[in-house]
Amino acid sequence: KAGVTQTPRYLIKTRGQQVTLSCSPISGHRSVSWYQQTPGQGLQFLFEYFSETQRNKGNFPGRFSGRQFSNSRSEMNVSTLELGDSALYLCASSLGQGAQYFGPGTRLTVL
Amino acid sequence: KQEVTQIPAALSVPEGENLVLNCSFTDSAIYNLQWFRQDPGKGLTSLLLIQSSQREQTSGRLNASLDKSSGRSTLYIAASQPGDSATYLCAVAGGATNKLIFGTGTLLAVQP
Repeated sequence: KAGVTQTPRYLIKTRGQQVTLSCSPISGHRSVSWYQQTPGQGLQFLFEYFSETQRNKGNFPGRFSGRQFSNSRSEMNVSTLELGDSALYLCASSLGQGAQYFGPGTRLTVL
Repeated sequence: KQEVTQIPAALSVPEGENLVLNCSFTDSAIYNLQWFRQDPGKGLTSLLLIQSSQREQTSGRLNASLDKSSGRSTLYIAASQPGDSATYLCAVAGGATNKLIFGTGTLLAVQP
């Protein structure tokens, strides 16, 4: 079975731009969660989608948004990028409430 | 508010040694606890999942234990190898969603 895939793997943007990241979960998994990882804050939960519905949301500003499609693929969008948004963005998929499996991440650099 | 702590922050051991990594959490009302490893610049690899009703899980040279009442978990690595060098993270999930609260990790270096 293929693992969680994320595209693109690397992105360089400038302040004020917006960006869309994509995550394809393991086949059959309906839950997709997103995390931000930075050296200063560690791994922080952004949001979780289950069957196209946002089930939980972390403490991030409204510039961070996401969605999930009927095939369980998910996208997250960050608008009006700030320097502090530079991070590794990870998505994880799960069948329901069990083990979560992470993708390789998207490294976002904001200049 | 759930907080997860990992001690030590860094650990260096010679190859072949057995070692224990510690994870503690403040709220015992967890659904499960998961251990991951992360290689530099990479995603997280799931190692072991312990449900709240379980006391331990084993996979190969790895054994994870859970003591919910004291808010502690340990990851035991037997006969460590240089390939075990990585950052080890524990994370707890509570409630009806998959939101994981992560510890800050233990950076492990196994010297050949």
